[in-house]
Amino acid sequence: RKEVEQDPGPFNVPEGATVAFNCTYSNSASQSFFWYRQDCRKEPKLLMSVYSSGNEDGRFTAQLNRASQYISLLIRDSKLSDSATYLCAVNVDTGKLIFGQGTTLQVKP
Amino acid sequence: DVKVTQSSRYLVKRTGEKVFLECVQDMDHENMFWYRQDPGLGLRLIYFSYDVKMKEKGDIPEGYSVSREKKERFSLILESASTNQTSMYLCASRSLAGGLNTGELFFGEGSRLTVL
Repeated sequence: RKEVEQDPGPFNVPEGATVAFNCTYSNSASQSFFWYRQDCRKEPKLLMSVYSSGNEDGRFTAQLNRASQYISLLIRDSKLSDSATYLCAVNVDTGKLIFGQGTTLQVKP
Repeated sequence: DVKVTQSSRYLVKRTGEKVFLECVQDMDHENMFWYRQDPGLGLRLIYFSYDVKMKEKGDIPEGYSVSREKKERFSLILESASTNQTSMYLCASRSLAGGLNTGELFFGEGSRLTVL
């Protein structure tokens, strides 16, 4: 089983839609969690950290479920500019940051 | 702004050649990482370094080595390049200032290596 798994998609949604991605992790000792965004032919950049209590940044909401070992990202009112690959990342206890394979989102007009 | 600079954006090498990929960061970050990214496989960790002269294997270290003689520089070495090492290589750095394992990774623009 991979340490961090995501559904690669692609997710094709119309503008204004709400879309959710999940990411599961296998190491119960994982300490911190993140969502990164990667545009085509660009490097990944941090979108948001994921806190135990859940956190929201504008149209984006991230949640952590430790019992079931998954994190989620919800995007409301999708924009064309949200089209990208979304990568979840998990810090394991040794300091390694492990990424999922990424989920591709395509928002269509 | 944090700047992570990878020495070469595109390289073409022949099988068996020794390849050096250089990465320099300008923010005095303790941690540095090397990943490779392949379609359908995402980012896979090759090696990381907690600090100067320290290194840890990631998930796919075979065929690679690293060097961190100075804090700002983390080099990835392919001793004898093979065609299955054709990939996009991404370097990243992270500060420990916010606490262990909590900091944001800052990536370089990547080095696309083709091994013929």
